[in-house]
Amino acid sequence: EIVLTQSPEFQSVTPKEKVTITCRASQNVGTGLHWYQQRPDQSPKLVIRDVSRSISGVPSRFSGSGSGTDFTLTISGLEAEDAATYYCHHSSNYPWTFGPGTKVEI
Amino acid sequence: QVQLQESGPGLVKPSETLSLTCDVSGDSIVNSNHYWVWIRQPPGKGLEWIGVVRKSGNTFYNPSLESRVTISVDTSRNQFSLKLASVTASDTAMYYCVRNVEKWGQGTMVTVSS
Repeated sequence: EIVLTQSPEFQSVTPKEKVTITCRASQNVGTGLHWYQQRPDQSPKLVIRDVSRSISGVPSRFSGSGSGTDFTLTISGLEAEDAATYYCHHSSNYPWTFGPGTKVEI
Repeated sequence: QVQLQESGPGLVKPSETLSLTCDVSGDSIVNSNHYWVWIRQPPGKGLEWIGVVRKSGNTFYNPSLESRVTISVDTSRNQFSLKLASVTASDTAMYYCVRNVEKWGQGTMVTVSS
């Protein structure tokens, strides 16, 4: 089983700030690495798929990068609506797993 | 527009079997090549992948749940289902059905309690 770790666990930021969240995999996951945003009492929402592919309807301030075992989600110019918990998720092989989450507070 | 909707009892007694169904609309399970997935989230905690089913009926489960889980697909009803046997309080969670990684249902809360 591939274990995903995220850092930081918690981040307190101000609007317009740049946020960087890191996800590290215990094995190479290729391009099967995705990012979700989960606001309180809502279902997770996909914001980046396949490491760096943007999602229709998701603001362009969200971007993803990385390769192999190290990946990054960047939010450039944070807005109040971006307050949420962010999870990385891999689908490169079974079982698919999730990172523990990073809570972003504004 | 594809929509997924979970349904099933919101309260299950300990040692009994949790049964949920996911109705898929706006997409055809039999005519697509998607992954149909169940994921859960205990209150205040992170996401846990339960397992996946393909239109062929092929499945793969989280090893930590494999002995208790069955996921099946009913292409005639365009739905897929989750059964989790011998539940305990630790199975209390929001349960989500998902298409691949991108389309999630709204989730259904299941509480295990006598």
